Amino acid sequence: NAGVTQTPKFQVLKTGQSMTLQCAQDMNHEYMSWYRQDPGMGLRLIHYSVGAGITDQGEVPNGYNVSRSTTEDFPLRLLSAAPSQTSVYFCASRRMGETQYFGPGTRLLVL
Amino acid sequence: QKEVEQDPGPLSVPEGAIVSLNCTYSNSAFQYFMWYRQYSRKGPELLMYTYSSGNKEDGRFTAQVDKSSKYISLFIRDSQPSDSATYLCAMSVGAGGTSYGKLTFGQGTILTVHP
Repeated sequence: NAGVTQTPKFQVLKTGQSMTLQCAQDMNHEYMSWYRQDPGMGLRLIHYSVGAGITDQGEVPNGYNVSRSTTEDFPLRLLSAAPSQTSVYFCASRRMGETQYFGPGTRLLVL
Repeated sequence: QKEVEQDPGPLSVPEGAIVSLNCTYSNSAFQYFMWYRQYSRKGPELLMYTYSSGNKEDGRFTAQVDKSSKYISLFIRDSQPSDSATYLCAMSVGAGGTSYGKLTFGQGTILTVHP
């Protein structure tokens, strides 16, 4: 199993640009989540999904969209990037009753 | 006030020392407690997981939970340079360890163990 994979590893955007951060898992996990990690803030939940077609907001959802059309994929979309979205983004997945597995992260710099 | 507060460190100890990492929380609904280890430029990986007050031991690591005081700790015995990483406490409400994937994290403590 590849586990949780994320692409790209690093991205530079200009303010106002849009992009999609990709996340995929091959463990047939029902639950998937997106977190952002900022210095001194720990990890904060952006959006999560409990299954294909079902998503909900986390602690810091503004400026981000998600969708879950398949069990395997959970992309995170930035509609109009802002410097405040400069961060490291982690995708995570888990099976019901178990704890989470995290991907390697995507480092995003918004200029 | 943040729901989970973690001693930010950084912490620097000599090899072989006992390390104590701590978190406090304000939400009494938290029932599941985890410690994650994160190496530089990597994703967090689960180290310890517990849901009851008391101690849980796994090799050199001991997780301690005191629900009455809303306080959790991670102890590392005989610390090694390979233990150098950021340690994150995390908590959740509900069954299964992570209710719908919603973990609340502490800020993380950077630990350096020098030879």
